[in-house]
Amino acid sequence: DTGVSQDPRHKITKRGQNVTFRCDPISEHNRLYWYRQTLGQGPEFLTYFQNEAQLEKSRLLSDRFSAERPKGSFSTLEIQRTEQGDSAMYLCASSLNAPAGARSNSPLHFGNGTRLTVT
Amino acid sequence: LAKTTQPISMDSYEGQEVNITCSHNNIATNDYITWYQQFPSQGPRFIIQGYKTKVTNEVASLFIPADRKSSTLSLPRVSLSDTAVYYCLVGDRTGGFKTIFGAGTRLFVKA
Repeated sequence: DTGVSQDPRHKITKRGQNVTFRCDPISEHNRLYWYRQTLGQGPEFLTYFQNEAQLEKSRLLSDRFSAERPKGSFSTLEIQRTEQGDSAMYLCASSLNAPAGARSNSPLHFGNGTRLTVT
Repeated sequence: LAKTTQPISMDSYEGQEVNITCSHNNIATNDYITWYQQFPSQGPRFIIQGYKTKVTNEVASLFIPADRKSSTLSLPRVSLSDTAVYYCLVGDRTGGFKTIFGAGTRLFVKA
């Protein structure tokens, strides 16, 4: 288990630029999640995938945000025309969605995030 | 989605047992209770999950009363390295991934 990997760890960009982050989940996990965390607050849910299908998006995810998970493996989160308010830690997590009725539970496994600073 | 209430912060000393209580009055029948730990500049890390009564692993214990309206995370003999933010989440089997994490409980362990 190599854990959830995120790249880059830090990104500084100027307002108006586009940025893209990558997340590599734990290989056998079929669910992948994106969260945003600002200083002093807990993570806020943005969106999640089951395999390659994006099943839900939070209202926090404006039209400038887009996420993909081609082939159900790694995922990318793109922010277009960044704003200073986008400055935050962007966290990725993965989990295994156990079959219905299974006794085992599958909590979230988080990466260490990408810290975005928009100047 | 069940809302949780935790103390904002707690202080302790090395070697002491720390108990952090979380209230979740609106927990649903199918909800599990999950606790995460987060250090600065890292993602949250799963600690323990339970549904009822008591769960124990190598890191912590989780006590859940019969009415399941609260739960207590117990950390035995804390060390300085246990200084972190602890989040209580209530939700489905994946740990309530859409649940608002809230600000969590900031635990400070002193020497």
